[in-house]
Formats: sequence, structure tokens, C-alpha cells
Amino acid sequence: DADVTQTPRNRITKTGKRIMLECSQTKGHDRMYWYRQDPGLGLRLIYYSFDVKDINKGEISDGYSVSRQAQAKFSLSLESAIPNQTALYFCATSDAGGSVIPNEQFFGPGTRLTVL
Amino acid sequence: GNSVTQMEGPVTLSEEAFLTINCTYTATGYPSLFWYVQYPGEGLQLLLKATKADDKGSNKGFEATYRKETTSFHLEKGSVQVSDSAVYFCALGGGSNYKLTFGKGTLLTVNP
Repeated sequence: DADVTQTPRNRITKTGKRIMLECSQTKGHDRMYWYRQDPGLGLRLIYYSFDVKDINKGEISDGYSVSRQAQAKFSLSLESAIPNQTALYFCATSDAGGSVIPNEQFFGPGTRLTVL
Repeated sequence: GNSVTQMEGPVTLSEEAFLTINCTYTATGYPSLFWYVQYPGEGLQLLLKATKADDKGSNKGFEATYRKETTSFHLEKGSVQVSDSAVYFCALGGGSNYKLTFGKGTLLTVNP
């Protein structure tokens, strides 16, 4: 079974609709991240959370919101979708430290979102 | 702030050719460096990593050496295969916030 799962894998919606993308992980990691990927732009960080009570904006948070429902679940919402939010969205997790290499992140399979 | 600059693609090679994808970075302190690979239709997978100067990360025939003096972490493979066709991302992790900064990705296509 995959350690980081995302639902849905594909979604087509219309401008103005509210959309929620969900991420679950079984790795037991405290830290979770949402990225979007656009051709030629790489991955850009939308939001990140270091624990259930800690939510932080990334470099492109406008138009997005998140919810950390539990250690294992981190959801991304588009309150009113617009066409330039068409992209591939990735969730990622990482451990908090100790003996593990800091910053190593583990990615979900991605959600392809199209806003018409 | 932190930044990563990697070689623009696309890169097209014949099978068994030598591969180099350049990556340079700007960072304060002593970051960790990563190469991630994204196969068609999939998420990112960690390919290799290095945590300090002169470390060499290696995996699946790929190698990269953490060069602090040139702030580089170039990815190399001596003989590429068709199955290596993918997008490769260089990434840097540094600072107390444990975020990753990614390069823009390099598309590699290997032809038989």
C-alpha cells in the first residue's frame, strides 16, 4: 500500500466551484506539504504544516486554504476555482528530525486538476 | 534566500550515452541536497541525496557529488537506458523550517 495517498487523482471542475483535495499518510510523519507543479516552473509550495496546530503559508498561498484534520490528513481547498489553478498538485510528508536526514520529503502520486 | 538553478531541458540522448544534468544552488548555512525523479504519470521519487560537502549520493547508476566550493550538485550517469526517461528535479533543504526548494526540472528522453 502507498504511504502517501491523494484523492481524487483527476478532477475537472468549473470556474467558481469549491474543490477539496485530500491527502492521507501512513508514514507517521508530523510534517505535511502541498505543492503545485506547472510546466517549466517546477514545484511551488502552497502551504505546509509541522503539526496539527501549525499551519504556514508557502510562496503561492493566495486562493488556497488548508485543513490539518489529524496527523495523517492534510486537505487543500480552492474556495472558488479559477482556470489558472489548473495544475498538478502534490502532497508530501517529512519526519521531524532526530537521526533522519532533515528535509527529505515523500510524495503522493498527485492530483491533476483542470478548471474550465 | 535559497535558490536552485538547474539545466534547462529538454535533454534527448541515445541509449548508453553519458548523462550530465547541471545543478547549482544558493543557500545560507549547510543545506542538504537532493535529486528527485518523476516518471511519466507519477509523483516524485527520491533518487539520491547528500547532506554535507564532498558527500556522493548514488542510486540506480546515478551519482551526484556535493561540491561546496562550486555550490553544485550535478547529476551523472555513465550509460542511460530508455527507462531513465523522466523529469529530474534538483532540490535543496536548509534552515530551521525544513522546507525544500526545487529547481524547475529537466526533462530527459532516452531513445533506443
